[in-house]
Amino acid sequence: AQSVSQHNHHVILSEAASLELGCNYSYGGTVNLFWYVQYPGQHLQLLLKYFSGDPLVKGIKGFEAEFIKSKFSFNLRKPSVQWSDTAEYFCAVSGVSGGYNKLIFGAGTRLAVHP
Amino acid sequence: GAGVSQSPSNKVTEKGKDVELRCDPISGHTALYWYRQSLGQGLEFLIYFQGNSAPDKSGLPSDRFSAERTGGSVSTLTIQRTQQEDSAVYLCASSLVVLAGGSKRDEQYFGPGTRLTVT
Repeated sequence: AQSVSQHNHHVILSEAASLELGCNYSYGGTVNLFWYVQYPGQHLQLLLKYFSGDPLVKGIKGFEAEFIKSKFSFNLRKPSVQWSDTAEYFCAVSGVSGGYNKLIFGAGTRLAVHP
Repeated sequence: GAGVSQSPSNKVTEKGKDVELRCDPISGHTALYWYRQSLGQGLEFLIYFQGNSAPDKSGLPSDRFSAERTGGSVSTLTIQRTQQEDSAVYLCASSLVVLAGGSKRDEQYFGPGTRLTVT
């Protein structure tokens, strides 16, 4: 079955700490991978995406993610978090062929950054 | 340009009533999706429209749910005889599907959602 697993449901960090949020997926076939962010009171925004090519992708606000095919992982990283990064982060996967357009989301990780 | 818009932003309805939720996708986007975000179930796919193709309805939870997309643009999600378990935020997303190197790139942009509360 297609699924996405996010290992941490809640993460609490101090400003300037490094961040890594885990994401593993189960999907038969080639995938597109995404991280979305939902700031408090706002709608889902695309943070970064992987379609093909360089497995290390860079997104907005200093975020990056690395696709490791052998581990079925797409972990999100940021070297130094800010208070404004407080949000919920969702990893998602979709297929690249046929009708597999729908996004399958992980359960989300709530990040709280303390000043 | 404008993003995906949804209306109403909030809807409170009594159990058993029908509701209609509207989505205006980004102009020129050929694909339109409905998802549902609820505390117990997270983010779930409901239905997908792509151009003139038959919609993918595989995520609709029951036959009380239906959706249509008129003129390849605006979409309406209808829930008949609402139940309390239908309470959730209903999200619409649109995308411009691009075929590159034999594979599909589909970058979905989400609207602000409609918060539905069934009392």
